[in-house]
Amino acid sequence: AQSVTQPDIHITVSEGASLELRCNYSYGATPYLFWYVQSPGQGLQLLLKYFSGDTLVQGIKGFEAEFKRSQSSFNLRKPSVHWSDAAEYFCAVGRFSSNTGKLIFGQGTTLQVKP
Amino acid sequence: GAGVSQSPSNKVTEKGKDVELRCDPISGHTALYWYRQSLGQGLEFLIYFQGNSAPDKSGLPSDRFSAERTGGSVSTLTIQRTQQEDSAVYLCASSRIRREGTNTGELFFGEGSRLTVL
Repeated sequence: AQSVTQPDIHITVSEGASLELRCNYSYGATPYLFWYVQSPGQGLQLLLKYFSGDTLVQGIKGFEAEFKRSQSSFNLRKPSVHWSDAAEYFCAVGRFSSNTGKLIFGQGTTLQVKP
Repeated sequence: GAGVSQSPSNKVTEKGKDVELRCDPISGHTALYWYRQSLGQGLEFLIYFQGNSAPDKSGLPSDRFSAERTGGSVSTLTIQRTQQEDSAVYLCASSRIRREGTNTGELFFGEGSRLTVL
């Protein structure tokens, strides 16, 4: 079965500290991988995506993620967290064809940032 | 418009009534998604439309749920005989299909329609 697991429902970090959000997936083939962020009162926004090539991808707002095929993981990282990063983060996976672009989302990780 | 527009933003209905939720995607985006987000849950895929292809309905939870997309643009999600467990935020998203037919993978989401079934 296809699924996405985000083991951490809630994470609290201090402003300026580093951050890593975990994502593991189960999929028949290597899927495309995504991280989306949902800020309070705002819609979801794409942070970054991996289709192929370099397994370390850079995204917006200083985020990066690393695809590890052997671990079926796509963890999101940021070296120094800002208070404005407090939000809910979703990992998503999928494959695209001529008749489907279905993305499967994880349950999300809520990030709280302490001053 | 500039973004994905959904209406109504809030809908309160009584159990057993039918509801319609509307989504107006970004102009030029031929891919359209419906997701459901329940409290404390992730996004649950409902249905996907891409151009003139048959929609991927694999996520619809029951035959009370249906969706259509008219003229390749506006989409309507219909829930018949609503139940309390249908209460959730229904999110619509659209994305662009490249000339070669592949999805860019960047979904643009609307603000959602919050449905409350009493």
